[in-house]
Amino acid sequence: ETGVTQTPRHLVMGMTNKKSLKCEQHLGHNAMYWYKQSAKKPLELMFVYSLEERVENNSVPSRFSPECPNSSHLFLHLHTLQPEDSALYLCASSRNRAANTGELFFGEGSRLTVL
Amino acid sequence: AQSVTQLDSHVSVSEGTPVLLRCNYSSSYSPSLFWYVQHPNKGLQLLLKYTSAATLVKGINGFEAEFKKSETSFHLTKPSAHMSDAAEYFCVVWGSGTYKYIFGTGTRLKVLA
Repeated sequence: ETGVTQTPRHLVMGMTNKKSLKCEQHLGHNAMYWYKQSAKKPLELMFVYSLEERVENNSVPSRFSPECPNSSHLFLHLHTLQPEDSALYLCASSRNRAANTGELFFGEGSRLTVL
Repeated sequence: AQSVTQLDSHVSVSEGTPVLLRCNYSSSYSPSLFWYVQHPNKGLQLLLKYTSAATLVKGINGFEAEFKKSETSFHLTKPSAHMSDAAEYFCVVWGSGTYKYIFGTGTRLKVLA
C-alpha cells in the first residue's frame, strides 16, 4: 500500500466513449503525475501538477484531458481514444516537485483497453 | 541534461545466485538516483534511493546499490536471488535543474528454479 489509489483498475472502452481515470493520494504531497506505460516502450510522462497547477504537458493529444481539483485528487478524462492508447496508466505523487530527496509514490495503475 | 542507461534489457539468474542489474547515469548536477521494481500489472515500488548521503544504499528485500561518481554508475545488487524477485526493474535519475524524473528503459529479471 503506497498511499496512492487508482480507480478503476481495469477499463475497456470503445473509441467513441468518454470515461475518466481517478487517482487519490493520502500522503499530503503537493505534486501529482500521470504516466503512460505501453508494452515495449519506456515510461512516458504525460502531465505534472504542482499545487493543483499544471506545470508540464508533454505533447499529449487533446483526447486526454487532466484535471486536478485539489492536491489530493487527479483525474484523466478520456474521449474518442484510439486503439494505440491502450496501455497501463500510472498515477504518482511526490512531496514537492522541486525536492531532490523526494521519491515518486505510484498507484497500482489503470489498465485501459480501447476497442 | 540528465539521462540514464540500463545496460541490460533482460537478466536471467538461478535462484540463490547473486543479482546484478546495471545502471549508468549522466547528470550535470549532483543527482538523486532511485531503483524501482514493478511486478506484472502492478505499479512501481521504490526499492532504494541515493540522495548524496552514504554511497552504499540499502533497500528493501535485501537489495542494495552503490553510487560510484567516478564511473557514473548506480548498479543494483542482491546476494541471493529469490523467485519472488522476478520482475522489471527501473533505474531513475532526478534532475535538479529540470525537476524531471528520468526513467531507464527497464531490466526484466528472470529467476530460474
